[in-house]
Amino acid sequence: QVQLVQSGAEVKQPGASVKVSCKASGYTFSNYYIHWVRQAPGQGLEWMGIINPSDGSTRYVQKFQGRVTMTRDMSTRTVYMELSRLRSDETAVYYCARDRDIIVVPAGIVVGRNWFDPWGQGTLVTVSS
Amino acid sequence: SYELTQPPSVSVSPGQTAGITCSGDNLGEKYACWFQQKPGQSPLLVIYQDSKRPSGIPERFSGSNSGNTATLTISGTQAMDEADYYCQAWDNNTAVFGGGTKLTVL
Repeated sequence: QVQLVQSGAEVKQPGASVKVSCKASGYTFSNYYIHWVRQAPGQGLEWMGIINPSDGSTRYVQKFQGRVTMTRDMSTRTVYMELSRLRSDETAVYYCARDRDIIVVPAGIVVGRNWFDPWGQGTLVTVSS
Repeated sequence: SYELTQPPSVSVSPGQTAGITCSGDNLGEKYACWFQQKPGQSPLLVIYQDSKRPSGIPERFSGSNSGNTATLTISGTQAMDEADYYCQAWDNNTAVFGGGTKLTVL
């Protein structure tokens, strides 16, 4: 079955970087976008961006531009999300989620009819001095 | 930026029908979806493209979207449906989530 397994919890100091991994199995890795969504403790969901594993193209939410990098490793079927210059208010669970529907256009990113299904188990990133 | 507004909480008695709303400017012109999240778990897609149910989601979950409001309806609500529910839509190439609604079954 389709499964996304994320890396373990991290504790980082303010100003540091964190890199979270998301290993996919149970489907053709290059055929589905992967999204990253975060959730601060007791708060709602916030979309961070998307990567097309087929060609590595990405789209990030403007507020994260310059601080977030999403990459993929085709050999290990793993997607990574790195967030730099962490702040204490960015303590959150970071989730990866696969697009429900297969990519129609192999290159680039097309959004607007994307549904997040399934999700990884989440990675708690704690930012504290 | 685009905003989706949900009521913070909704209560329903077991076996009754629960309705959770999600409001946004001209939301009916976009596609809406809904996620269920139980404590300590990842979100689960329960409705997509306004009214479609993924496989494995019970038929008691249904959705609609018109005008400025999308609605998640749970018919014959069960204790296991107690959870937080989030709506989501796309605006200007960005995924936007509602603030979430805590559904209490009592």
